[in-house]
Amino acid sequence: EDKVVQSPLSLVVHEGDTVTLNCSYEVTNFRSLLWYKQEKKAPTFLFMLTSSGIEKKSGRLSSILDKKELFSILNITATQTGDSAVYLCAVFKRSSNTGKLIFGQGTTLQVKP
Amino acid sequence: NAGVTQTPKFQVLKTGQSMTLQCAQDMNHEYMSWYRQDPGMGLRLIHYSVGAGITDQGEVPNGYNVSRSTTEDFPLRLLSAAPSQTSVYFCASSPSYSSYNSPLHFGNGTRLTVT
Repeated sequence: EDKVVQSPLSLVVHEGDTVTLNCSYEVTNFRSLLWYKQEKKAPTFLFMLTSSGIEKKSGRLSSILDKKELFSILNITATQTGDSAVYLCAVFKRSSNTGKLIFGQGTTLQVKP
Repeated sequence: NAGVTQTPKFQVLKTGQSMTLQCAQDMNHEYMSWYRQDPGMGLRLIHYSVGAGITDQGEVPNGYNVSRSTTEDFPLRLLSAAPSQTSVYFCASSPSYSSYNSPLHFGNGTRLTVT
């Protein structure tokens, strides 16, 4: 059975801290891994990773994929209160002529002033 | 830019009632999908569609029906609501079913409570 597991499930840090969120997966026909940030409403896209070892960066956020060990990490440096959100990891798998996105449980990050 | 529009935003149903959650996108996306989000369980795929006239089941399809008569619309029907269907429902779309090269765009969700 396909699964995507995130850890930790929740995390409380103070502004300025650096955090690392983990995502491991066991998914057949893997095609890509995506990270989303969810505040109060719809998840918003952060990164898509398809190749191992290539870091994607956007400001203070970065992510990398290891397809051999089947995991990805999302790093946030110099955290701010605006980083407080649920971070979702998802894996896209190919299935027949279509595909599905399988989500992990999410990591709830709270950044305190 | 409207993107993905879901209606209603909130809904309360009694057990046994039926209703339809609406989803419309104006981006000419082929791929549309419905997820439910429950605490501690992430987003789980209910049904999805790779184009008009084509639908398929996701991980948790029981109790839900979908149809895709146009590219723009992908309604989700609850045939006989149960308390276990209390959840937040998200509709999402992507340019093609090969969304490994294009991420999903999400609507703002519908919060459904079944009493």
